[in-house]
Amino acid sequence: EAGVVQSPRYKIIEKKQPVAFWCNPISGHNTLYWYRQNLGQGPELLIRYENEEAVDDSQLPKDRFSAERLKGVDSTLKIQPAELGDSAVYLCASSLASGVGETQYFGPGTRLLVL
Amino acid sequence: GDSVTQMEGPVTLSEEAFLTINCTYTATGYPSLFWYVQYPGEGLQLLLKATKADDKGSNKGFEATYRKETTSFHLEKGSVQVSDSAVYFCALLYTGGFKTIFGAGTRLFVKA
Repeated sequence: EAGVVQSPRYKIIEKKQPVAFWCNPISGHNTLYWYRQNLGQGPELLIRYENEEAVDDSQLPKDRFSAERLKGVDSTLKIQPAELGDSAVYLCASSLASGVGETQYFGPGTRLLVL
Repeated sequence: GDSVTQMEGPVTLSEEAFLTINCTYTATGYPSLFWYVQYPGEGLQLLLKATKADDKGSNKGFEATYRKETTSFHLEKGSVQVSDSAVYFCALLYTGGFKTIFGAGTRLFVKA
């Protein structure tokens, strides 16, 4: 079974430029998450989708970040414009559903460096 | 608010040594508890989990027991190997918001 796929793996951009990350979850997983992991820290949730619906986006900086999950399958996270502080690893995860003990499966992440 | 606190790393051990990585949590209600491992260049992988008090999660020789009275979920392994070198994250999932909260991670180095 294929795992969570993310692309690109690495991205270097200059500040004020736009950037987009793509995620394809495990087939059949209804719940999709985007996390940001700063250096030396644990992941922090940005947004959670149940199928096509964003049910928790309270931590997403909406002035510059946007996300979509068309058709309830793959998802795109966009930053426009990027700032120096956005340098981090962006992780996508998926799970069958949300709930007690539900296991999340993580992709390898996209490492973003903003210069 | 809910939080997870892990012992700071790095932790450096010799092969076959005993490992303990401490994890304590603060949460309302009854969260599920997890340990994830991140090997160099890879994404996070679930190592083990426990969904209620006194449950013991185990996998690959690692184990952790959900202790509600001490709000802890310490990770242990009796004999570590070089291949266990990685970053270990303790996490809780509370059902109120279906949100997983991660600790800062503990880096483990195992020397041959």
